[in-house]
Amino acid sequence: DTEVTQTPKHLVMGMTNKKSLKCEQHMGHRAMYWYKQKAKKPPELMFVYSYEKLSINESVPSRFSPECPNSSLLNLHLHALQPEDSALYLCASSQDWTSGYEQYFGPGTRLTVT
Amino acid sequence: EDQVTQSPEALRLQEGESSSLNCSYTVSGLRGLFWYRQDPGKGPEFLFTLYSAGEEKEKERLKATLTKKESFLHITAPKPEDSATYLCAVRTLPFSGGYQKVTFGTGTKLQVIP
Repeated sequence: DTEVTQTPKHLVMGMTNKKSLKCEQHMGHRAMYWYKQKAKKPPELMFVYSYEKLSINESVPSRFSPECPNSSLLNLHLHALQPEDSALYLCASSQDWTSGYEQYFGPGTRLTVT
Repeated sequence: EDQVTQSPEALRLQEGESSSLNCSYTVSGLRGLFWYRQDPGKGPEFLFTLYSAGEEKEKERLKATLTKKESFLHITAPKPEDSATYLCAVRTLPFSGGYQKVTFGTGTKLQVIP
């Protein structure tokens, strides 16, 4: 099973709202990732968690706050977003971060900020 | 700075017309090259990992190859269901130090006409 699940599939939020994106994997992977993808662009790495600790933060604004409650779950808390934050948010996982293992992606959450 | 370039940007093929997609890279410390398929509005689907020059991987109508400067994704006798955007990504660990990075190319949008 190489499935990564994400909820919700779609999210519309105002600039003053607080919402969370959720991601789950049961492959025993110890690295999990958040990516942002704008239309017709490649995914851009936002955060990397390795063994439930934040390893990489690609200079992401503080209105995005990641959380890794356990090895299977990854959350992305959203607050005071801007319309330009509208995008497809992808979660991915891999066996670990330090080796060259491939990443498996979830279906994404389509976020619209109004 | 790591660079990953994919060509062509778009490719239209008749069903059964074989062709190749290119991913060229200029990176420091290659730790792996990955091919993904992405359908509109969905997360990337993992296809192949290549680690060293000369390596080849095959899956159904797809074959990926790697040299020191580029990778090719060969599509033999494509079918309409092969229509998608194909992304390559490189994982690198700079020789000068720092942390691992994953850099995606901008993708090739493939359309296979019946």
